[in-house]
Amino acid sequence: DIQMTQSPSSVSASVGDRVTITCRASQGIGSWLAWYQQKPGKAPNLLIYAASSLQSGVPSRFSGSGSGTDFTLTITSLQPEDFATYYCQQANSFPCSFGQGTKLEIK
Amino acid sequence: EVQLVESGGGLVQPGRSLRLSCAASGFIFEDYAMHWVRQVPGKGLEWVSGISWSSGSIDYADSVKGRFTISRDNVKNSLYLQMNSLKIEDTALYYCVKDTGVTLDWYFDLWGRGTLVTVSS
Repeated sequence: DIQMTQSPSSVSASVGDRVTITCRASQGIGSWLAWYQQKPGKAPNLLIYAASSLQSGVPSRFSGSGSGTDFTLTITSLQPEDFATYYCQQANSFPCSFGQGTKLEIK
Repeated sequence: EVQLVESGGGLVQPGRSLRLSCAASGFIFEDYAMHWVRQVPGKGLEWVSGISWSSGSIDYADSVKGRFTISRDNVKNSLYLQMNSLKIEDTALYYCVKDTGVTLDWYFDLWGRGTLVTVSS
């Protein structure tokens, strides 16, 4: 099974900051990667699929990049509603697998 | 409104069974694969099972294979998860999740609010 490792596990930032979250796969997954945002008490929400494609309705301050084993989620100009936990997920090999999550907190 | 609504969770003893249901609305249910994903409160996400639009392709995580059965009824716009021989480690919030494709594309673009399953004696 493919293991997904996110870093950092948590990060503190301020409104208006730029934040980057990294996800590494234990083996190559091409561009088969998604990013999800989860707020407390809510279900996850798809932000990015195919590593860099923005899901409909998601603000353009969210962007994804990478291929193979290393991927990044970048949030430019953080907004108050962006403070949440972010998960990466590989969609290349069965079974799909998620990273452990990165909690984005207000500084 | 496009939504998924789960039901059927609750407290159950180890070794017993439970059946989860998910009612879909606001989209053409039969056009999409569907999944169950679970999350221990405060922890990460774990994919449990997936089913293609026609039920022709079904997959399970190793942790539930042989104990859980996924099914769907495209007439009733419903997804199900029959959970047998439940273990304490099955305790989690179970999400009904829509795939972006008719087959198992593994991108999840619509999630329900979840139903909590607690396995305890």
